[in-house]
Amino acid sequence: DIQMTQSPTSLSASVGDRVTITCRASQGIRNDLGWYQQKPGKAPKRLIYAASSLQSGVPSRFSGSGSGTEFTLTISSLQPEDFATYYCLQHNSYPLTFGGGTKVEIK
Amino acid sequence: EVQLVESGGGLVQPGGSLRLSCAASGFTFSDHYMDWVRQAPGKGLEWVGRTRKKVNSYTTEYAASVKGRFTISRDDSKNSLYLQMNSLKTEDTAVYYCARVAESESYSFDYWGQGTLVTVS
Repeated sequence: DIQMTQSPTSLSASVGDRVTITCRASQGIRNDLGWYQQKPGKAPKRLIYAASSLQSGVPSRFSGSGSGTEFTLTISSLQPEDFATYYCLQHNSYPLTFGGGTKVEIK
Repeated sequence: EVQLVESGGGLVQPGGSLRLSCAASGFTFSDHYMDWVRQAPGKGLEWVGRTRKKVNSYTTEYAASVKGRFTISRDDSKNSLYLQMNSLKTEDTAVYYCARVAESESYSFDYWGQGTLVTVS
């Protein structure tokens, strides 16, 4: 199975901060990775697919990069509505595996 | 508008069975792979399994943790996805989400249902 190591597990940041979240795959997964945002009590929402493609309707402050084994989600200027938990998901091979999540909290 | 609505969750004893449903609307259901994902209380997301389309013979994939106990099926005539869960364990307690797979977008999950809670106790 491919292990997805996501870091940090949590972070505190202020509105306007630049935030970076990383996922490392235990083996190469090309660009078969997506990023999802989840707010408490809600279903996850796709932000990024194919490692760097922005979901339609998602603000451009979100961006994704990477290929192979290392991937990054960047929020260029954190907004109040961005406080949530973020997950990466690899869909290169079965079983599909999620990162452990990063909780972004208000500083 | 794409909608996925799960139902069938509830309280079940260990060793029992439960069948979840996911009603799809707003898109051509038969054109899509469909997945189940779960989330234990206070924990992260865990992929459960997948059903492919008719052209792929409706083949399925499962996580090791549920293989042999859970069965994913679909009825394209009813735009519905199912998860039959047998031999339930306390560790199967979770919110279960159905998700649509976007093949043209790197097979990622572009739409999710709101989830249904299964409690095994």
